[in-house]
Amino acid sequence: EPEVTQTPSHQVTQMGQEVILRCVPISNHLYFYWYRQILGQKVEFLVSFYNNEISEKSEIFDDQFSVERPDGSNFTLKIRSTKLEDSAMYFCASSPYRTSGMSYEQYFGPGTRLTVT
Amino acid sequence: QQQVKQSPQSLIVQKGGISIINCAYENTAFDYFPWYQQFPGKGPALLIAIRPDVSEKKEGRFTISFNKSAKQFSLHIMDSQPGDSATYFCAAFTGTASKLTFGTGTRLQVTL
Repeated sequence: EPEVTQTPSHQVTQMGQEVILRCVPISNHLYFYWYRQILGQKVEFLVSFYNNEISEKSEIFDDQFSVERPDGSNFTLKIRSTKLEDSAMYFCASSPYRTSGMSYEQYFGPGTRLTVT
Repeated sequence: QQQVKQSPQSLIVQKGGISIINCAYENTAFDYFPWYQQFPGKGPALLIAIRPDVSEKKEGRFTISFNKSAKQFSLHIMDSQPGDSATYFCAAFTGTASKLTFGTGTRLQVTL
């Protein structure tokens, strides 16, 4: 069964450093998302991406964040200058396209645990 | 108005019992309501979902009940098993906003 994959599984970085989290969405999916989950809290939406552009972003997704689909398979989240409060689990998700329009089913990857020290 | 409220925060059910988790929303633009199951260290896994034009959806031991007028929906797990022990999140989605809004989660423990 196809699944979303994410690398690395755990990333430790120092405050102020740049990090890039990588995701390979399910093949043939066209809608891509990043969410984050601070330990013990709910999952929070960061950004959605379709047709090579951002569809929607939350207030969390400020100028320090960016997303990119550099090729036909990868989807990345970059944090330019990490802060302590960026420590969280980051999940990538993808949705297929239906002939009737957007599919609402989102399939999540296993996550990348980001620890900022 | 974008919040989804979920209760209870934690739930202990005996094996074979029924687990019930409730959610409420305010934004009437939401038009898709999925439930996700999350095991420790894993990503949320889509369990079951419902559209607001249906009052109930059943898949195996899992049932969603939906009350559009009350803006509430719930997950029922029949014949709960120890393997169902996980955190369950309700969520809501609107195509116009292109994002899932999650509830705060319910940690379910099924005891022997």
